[in-house]
Amino acid sequence: GAGVSQSPSNKVTEKGKDVELRCDPISGHTALYWYRQSLGQGLEFLIYFQGNSAPDKSGLPSDRFSAERTGGSVSTLTIQRTQQEDSAVYLCASSPMGGTKGGELFFGEGSRLTVL
Amino acid sequence: GNSVTQMEGPVTLSEEAFLTINCTYTATGYPSLFWYVQYPGEGLQLLLKATKADDKGSNKGFEATYRKETTSFHLEKGSVQVSDSAVYFCALVDSSYKLIFGSGTRLLVRP
Repeated sequence: GAGVSQSPSNKVTEKGKDVELRCDPISGHTALYWYRQSLGQGLEFLIYFQGNSAPDKSGLPSDRFSAERTGGSVSTLTIQRTQQEDSAVYLCASSPMGGTKGGELFFGEGSRLTVL
Repeated sequence: GNSVTQMEGPVTLSEEAFLTINCTYTATGYPSLFWYVQYPGEGLQLLLKATKADDKGSNKGFEATYRKETTSFHLEKGSVQVSDSAVYFCALVDSSYKLIFGSGTRLLVRP
């Protein structure tokens, strides 16, 4: 596709359930990022992929959060045993190169997660 | 650690008014600075950037100047339009690959 695609756009789940969020980056982009946007908060960095490997997972809030990327393309963010504080918009971004010196990340529209 | 602080919104202006959205940063060295914009229903997109002190980034009538003396990167526009209504995020590069964002400032322009 022309841009970064995320699914689902909206997800409502019950506390304790697992959820998977998917990101399809722009074709050919080697770098992929997950951020979280909570109400009133900035964009919180979660994880960075270069190809299929994740050299920086420092932003993952707890071991309930995990992410993988396959084929240097699609990425899945998994949240296990969801809690109400996980409610947020999860944003995926990609970049054609490993560094962001140029500063241009291409963002998807996000997946809004609501945990009841 | 590195961080970005933005003025809280929402900022409500009438069309053709002058806009300033304040942004200050804390960082070691002189990181590149950015403004991103998120229009309703769309993903964030890069608005402008500055890579070194005294640089001025500009795009779509918006400007921001990298001020190392005041560690600031305020966003300005001389005459806003209704179509500028959006959320604006200030950001800096932390390490070679990670962007650190501010909390965002919502702008509402009334006709």
